[in-house]
Amino acid sequence: RKEVEQDPGPFNVPEGATVAFNCTYSNSASQSFFWYRQDCRKEPKLLMSVYSSGNEDGRFTAQLNRASQYISLLIRDSKLSDSATYLCVVLGSQGNLIFGKGTKLSVKP
Amino acid sequence: GAVVSQHPSRVICKSGTSVKIECRSLDFQATTMFWYRQFPKQSLMLMATSNEGSKATYEQGVEKDKFLINHASLTLSTLTVTSAHPEDSSFYICSARVRTGGWATEAFFGQGTRLTVV
Repeated sequence: RKEVEQDPGPFNVPEGATVAFNCTYSNSASQSFFWYRQDCRKEPKLLMSVYSSGNEDGRFTAQLNRASQYISLLIRDSKLSDSATYLCVVLGSQGNLIFGKGTKLSVKP
Repeated sequence: GAVVSQHPSRVICKSGTSVKIECRSLDFQATTMFWYRQFPKQSLMLMATSNEGSKATYEQGVEKDKFLINHASLTLSTLTVTSAHPEDSSFYICSARVRTGGWATEAFFGQGTRLTVV
């Protein structure tokens, strides 16, 4: 089983749509979780950390379910500029990041 | 935020040659630098962990004699791809974790290097 698994996508949605990404992780001892976005041929950029209580940053909401080892990201009122690949990321025991394959989102006018 | 400067951003080299990629931490000291590689449509995979003043730790399947890592100072880590082959063509990126307050840390990435071996 892969350490971090994500919806393969791609997701093609119209502007204004709500879109949800899901992710599961295999190591139950993992403590820190993140969503990154990666634009084509660029470095990943931190979108938000994910906390047990769930957290929201504007149009973005992240949820963590430790019992199910499941992480989600919800994007409301999607914009053209949200088009990117969204990476589910878990912090490894050595301080490294363990990345999912990413889910590509295309927001169309 | 902290800045990690990586160069070159893009390099095309002939098969059999060596390529050096540099990552500098511009406004902080990085005792540890992580090197990742990303093949097309694949996830970023950790190649090695570079520690200042000591030998790098390589992930399983990564040849240490082919991917030479040097972390001679707290602000510079280098990855040299020796005797590059077309299958080494990939996106290479470095990352350092920076303490942002209390126990919280954040990963900062270099801009990445797209290597094409022809």
